[in-house]
Amino acid sequence: KAGVTQTPRYLIKTRGQQVTLSCSPISGHRSVSWYQQTPGQGLQFLFEYFSETQRNKGNFPGRFSGRQFSNSRSEMNVSTLELGDSALYLCASSYLAGDEQFFGPGTRLTVL
Amino acid sequence: AQSVTQLDSQVPVFEEAPVELRCNYSSSVSVYLFWYVQYPNQGLQLLLKYLSGSTLVESINGFEAEFNKSQTSFHLRKPSVHISDTAEYFCAVILTGGTSYGKLTFGQGTILTVHP
Repeated sequence: KAGVTQTPRYLIKTRGQQVTLSCSPISGHRSVSWYQQTPGQGLQFLFEYFSETQRNKGNFPGRFSGRQFSNSRSEMNVSTLELGDSALYLCASSYLAGDEQFFGPGTRLTVL
Repeated sequence: AQSVTQLDSQVPVFEEAPVELRCNYSSSVSVYLFWYVQYPNQGLQLLLKYLSGSTLVESINGFEAEFNKSQTSFHLRKPSVHISDTAEYFCAVILTGGTSYGKLTFGQGTILTVHP
C-alpha cells in the first residue's frame, strides 16, 4: 500500500501571499489530520477531517483552513502568510479518528 | 486537556550502550500512547503503540516501552543502540474512543545521538 503523500515538498513564499498544501492519505483511510512543526512550538495540531467534515480544530487563527474531498484527499490553505508560518506541515491519515496515524513526509514552507 | 512531557530534550549515548527516553503524560480520561521517530528532513514514523492489553510493547527494531498507569509514564528503552538510531523521538497520546477526533498530543521531543 502506498503511504501518505504530500505535495509540494518545499515551498518558498513571501509575506502576505497565500499557499495551498495537498495531502493524499493511505488508500481506505478516511481521517486526515494536519500538524504544524516548528523548533519553538514543536508539533501542534491544526485540524482533522473525516468524510469531508472538519471535526476538530486546534488553536490557530482563521487564516489556516482546510478541506477534504470525497476521495479523502485533503488540502490546507494559509492566507496572508506571516514569517511565523514558516514550518514543516505534516499530514497524517488513519482509518478511524482514534487509530494510529501514519504521517507523510511533510511540506517545508518558508516565508520570506 | 491532556499533556505530554518528555523529560530529556537531548540524550547522547555511545554505540551498543542501553538507552531510556522518558515520557510522562497527564489526562483525566484514558488514552492510547505512541512513540514516533523522525529522521532529518522526514516525516514521523510510528515506532510502537499501546492501545490495550500487555503493558510492555515492542518494536521490530529492538525498542520497547512499558505503560505504567500509576506513574502515568510510557518510557522508551533499547538495550543496545546503533548509530542508525540517531534521530528525534516523540511521545504522543490520543484519547480513547475516537473522542479526540484525530488530535494527537505530542511531547517536545528527545534528540537521541549515538556516538561511535
